Amino acid sequence: QLQLQESGPGLVKPSQTLSLTCTVSGGSISGSGYYWNWIRQHPGKGLEWIGYIYDSGNTYYSPSLKSRVTVSVDTSKNQFYLRLTSVTAADTALYYCARGGRGRNGYFDPWGLGTLVTVSS
Amino acid sequence: EIVMTQSPATLSVSPGERATLSCRASQSISSNLAWYQQKPGQAPRLLIHDASTRATGIPARFSGSGSGTEFTLTISSLQSEDFAVYYCQQCFDWPLYTFGQGTKLQIK
Repeated sequence: QLQLQESGPGLVKPSQTLSLTCTVSGGSISGSGYYWNWIRQHPGKGLEWIGYIYDSGNTYYSPSLKSRVTVSVDTSKNQFYLRLTSVTAADTALYYCARGGRGRNGYFDPWGLGTLVTVSS
Repeated sequence: EIVMTQSPATLSVSPGERATLSCRASQSISSNLAWYQQKPGQAPRLLIHDASTRATGIPARFSGSGSGTEFTLTISSLQSEDFAVYYCQQCFDWPLYTFGQGTKLQIK
């Protein structure tokens, strides 16, 4: 059974860089044909897709975050990563990683439990 | 960007009754729609994809319908564990995936 788990600092100072790790177990990222996504949820709000990585390096990001986001992968560790630069309080959110399908099969299943990141000095 | 609008924002239904949740897309998305359930403190769980296909392990009381711009999630006989927030998501305009704002299903 595929499982995903997010990890990383729960507190980041404004203007600094948010860095999160998603560890995948029960299946391999490499050669899976799936897309590996980051999604966030602002407190008490809805869901916002951030971006994905697939095929060991191809990425696509939400246009609203594109200038600040990098998603990368380490297939040897079966992990993928989120890096968000120049954070502000508006980046305070619960961050999820999730497996997605290709193209119009791009629904997300499964998800990690999420990790809360607070941006504050 | 395709905007997904869910209604109502909050729905109060008694256990054992039927619940009907709606999701509207700002333009046609064919049948490229998914529904998720989120309980407090938990990650969203995929219920339905391709508008009407139940995900693995999802009970038959959950059903999805619709195409184009209008979609419905129906829960035929509400169980206590079904009270949660439900989100729709379009996959048509990939990879610019967008979600609805959610419908909170609460006990009446």
